[in-house]
Amino acid sequence: EAQVTQNPRYLITVTGKKLTVTCSQNMNHEYMSWYRQDPGLGLRQIYYSMNVEVTDKGDVPEGYKVSRKEKRNFPLILESPSPNQTSLYFCASMSGHLNEKLFFGSGTQLSVL
Amino acid sequence: RKEVEQDPGPFNVPEGATVAFNCTYSNSASQSFFWYRQDCRKEPKLLMSVYSSGNEDGRFTAQLNRASQYISLLIRDSKLSDSATYLCVVGSSGTYKYIFGTGTRLKVLA
Repeated sequence: EAQVTQNPRYLITVTGKKLTVTCSQNMNHEYMSWYRQDPGLGLRQIYYSMNVEVTDKGDVPEGYKVSRKEKRNFPLILESPSPNQTSLYFCASMSGHLNEKLFFGSGTQLSVL
Repeated sequence: RKEVEQDPGPFNVPEGATVAFNCTYSNSASQSFFWYRQDCRKEPKLLMSVYSSGNEDGRFTAQLNRASQYISLLIRDSKLSDSATYLCVVGSSGTYKYIFGTGTRLKVLA
């Protein structure tokens, strides 16, 4: 089954404790992206990647890192989480052809205390 | 002005009603348009792409008006299961950047 797998589904952590949210897709998609969703603000792009070893900043990249060492994986790293990073996070992938649809992971609800 | 704007609602409608949502976008160079459905705290799922000539999928009809820079979604014969948030998504020309609206919440009442 074609899917984007994102883990964990829920995560509670404390300020400053490094964490990684994993994202993997099995569709051989070129394009992968991370979004955060906050009430009243919609989904905002954090980082995206057009291919292996190619990553770029989205609209809200501060406080986040990503890597794309393999085509299927695109982890999101918070080196020193802060409470303002409490949010619902989604990973998404797309084939790389323009105007194609995004496939989303099931989301990670992160709470930073 | 936001790049993509939607009325947040909620739109409360009875079963069987017809309901329409609009979404305006500010970038005239936008090339791709979509409606996604999102159930509470779950991942967005593509409802339909929006084409220049308009398109229909069962009870759902999407329209694009480039001159006025808006897209619309019409839902006929609303079902309880249509209750969700509907996200308008706009893609920029030549890029892979997608801008999401904040969503319009629909509640279909029995």
